[in-house]
Amino acid sequence: DIQMTQSPSSLSASVRDRVTLTCRASQSISSYLNWYQQKPGKAPKLLIYAASSLQSGVPSRFSGSGSGTDFTLTISSLQPEDFATYYCQQSYTGPFTFGPGTKVDIK
Amino acid sequence: QVQLVQSGAEVKKPGASVKVSCKASGYTFIRYDISWVRQAPGQGLEWMGWMSGYNGNTNYAQNLQGRVTMTTDTSTSTVYMELRSLRSDDTAVYYCARDVKGGGMDVWGQGTTVTVSS
Repeated sequence: DIQMTQSPSSLSASVRDRVTLTCRASQSISSYLNWYQQKPGKAPKLLIYAASSLQSGVPSRFSGSGSGTDFTLTISSLQPEDFATYYCQQSYTGPFTFGPGTKVDIK
Repeated sequence: QVQLVQSGAEVKKPGASVKVSCKASGYTFIRYDISWVRQAPGQGLEWMGWMSGYNGNTNYAQNLQGRVTMTTDTSTSTVYMELRSLRSDDTAVYYCARDVKGGGMDVWGQGTTVTVSS
């Protein structure tokens, strides 16, 4: 199985900060990497698919990059509604594993 | 609008089975796959398996093989996930999600809480 890791596990940031989250796969997954945002008590929401494609309706302050084993999610200017947990997920081969998540909270 | 509506919360005893439904609407059911994801209290997301909306093919997580079955009723655009021999560590919120090949899970159900307790 492909293992996904994320760093940091949590971070504290302020509104308008630029935030970069990292996801790493245990083997190459090409660009089959998705990013989700989850708020407490809610279902996850797809932000980025295929490593760098912005899901319809997602603000342009979110961007994704990377290929192979190393990926990043960047929030260019953190907004109050962005405080949440972010998960990466590989869709290269089953099982389509998730990373453990990065919790972004208010500094 | 495109939506997935799941069945209500369940409380089960250890060793029992649970069957959660996920009814799709607002899109052509057979054109998309459905994945199931669960989340234990305070934990991360765990991918459970996937079912093709087109032909019913399935792919289950290795750790659930033999205990999980995903089925579909195309006449009602509903997918079912049955989990057998429940244990306390199966207590979780179970989500279904529309899976776009190469495009992630773009529509999610509201989640179904399954509690396993004696």
